[in-house]
Formats: sequence, C-alpha cells, structure tokens
Amino acid sequence: NAGVTQTPKFQVLKTGQSMTLQCAQDMNHNSMYWYRQDPGMGLRLIYYSASEGTTDKGEVPNGYNVSRLNKREFSLRLESAAPSQTSVYFCASSEVAVGAILETQYFGPGTRLLVL
Amino acid sequence: QKEVEQDPGPLSVPEGAIVSLNCTYSNSAFQYFMWYRQYSRKGPELLMYTYSSGNKEDGRFTAQVDKSSKYISLFIRDSQPSDSATYLCAMSAFGNEKLTFGTGTRLTIIP
Repeated sequence: NAGVTQTPKFQVLKTGQSMTLQCAQDMNHNSMYWYRQDPGMGLRLIYYSASEGTTDKGEVPNGYNVSRLNKREFSLRLESAAPSQTSVYFCASSEVAVGAILETQYFGPGTRLLVL
Repeated sequence: QKEVEQDPGPLSVPEGAIVSLNCTYSNSAFQYFMWYRQYSRKGPELLMYTYSSGNKEDGRFTAQVDKSSKYISLFIRDSQPSDSATYLCAMSAFGNEKLTFGTGTRLTIIP
C-alpha cells in the first residue's frame, strides 16, 4: 500500500514550457486534491475532484488544468509555465474512515517545481 | 485579511519544554479544526482533530478550541527532537469539504 504517489519529485522548466504532474492513490478514495505550498502562504488549493469525472476550481486555479483520469489518478497540467508557478505541489486524497466524523486528507511527498 | 492566521515562527525550544502553537480564524462557520505535522521535504500528515469547542488529548499532544475567541491551540508536552517539524492548522465548516490552512509554524526542539 503506497498511499499517494507523485511524479516527478523535482522538475526545472523554462518560462513557456508545459508539463504534467502526475498523482496516483491506491486507497480507493473518491476525493483528490492539488495544492501548492509557498513560503508565507501556506497550502493553497488549486483544483479538487470530489469523484471520478468531476473537477472544481480551488483558490488559485489560474494557469492550471486538471484531469481526473480514473478513480486512482489525478493529474495537474501547466500549459505555459511562468516563474510565479515556482512552488512545491502536493496531491492529496481523502476519505471518511469508519466511525470518524471528519474526512481525512492524505498527502503525497510533493513535487518541487522551478520555473526559470 | 486571511481567514486563518498562524505565526510562521520559527520557534526554537529546549528538549522537554512545553510548546504552544496557535491559530486564529475569522470564519465563524468553521467547526472542524485540525493540526497537520509536516517534516522537512515531506507531505503534511494529520496529527489530530477536534470538532467544535473543547479539548482533545492524544499522548503528549493536546488540542484546544475556543470558538468564542476564534482561537485554537496545540500543546506539546515533554517535547522531543523528533517533534521538530512545521505544524499547520486547518479548518472546515463541514467534515467532508475542502480545508482552509494556516501558513504553518516551523518548530525546532533543541537537544
């Protein structure tokens, strides 16, 4: 049981290049999320998917697109990277455990992206 | 003004000390309050959560919520070097919706 996995771990892009960040979870969770984490800004939600086939914008969606390929996978695409998108990107998935009242989010290890 | 405010630190305390970490919030609809711990170059992991007001204890960790003051705290007793991490508070109005995070407080426990 690997939990939430993300690829790549680290990437350097030039301004204007595109790339896709991959995320997969093996916990059979319905909900998945993409966050970015910047110093002094905390975790900010980019997009989320409440179930397979649905996606919704979060707090900072501009410049990103997402695809919920199936229940396991949720990818984040940067069509034309900008230096302002330099950040650490985290994918998460969530569930309400039996007997719990809260949907717990489980995070992947992150992708460090540098846009020059 | 951010919905959730958290002092970013850094905070350094000697091993064995009691640590107090805090967040304030402005959205009175928040009812679920969480603390996540994030080690360097890792993803956050849920440490504990509380619902509505009151205290919750889990080993050396105690979470407190004061909804009247819109203030939450995490106390760590007998702090250990392994507690060195960034602690993020997070909140939501319902138990199954997206979270609003604080900026995180970086904590270092000095042996």
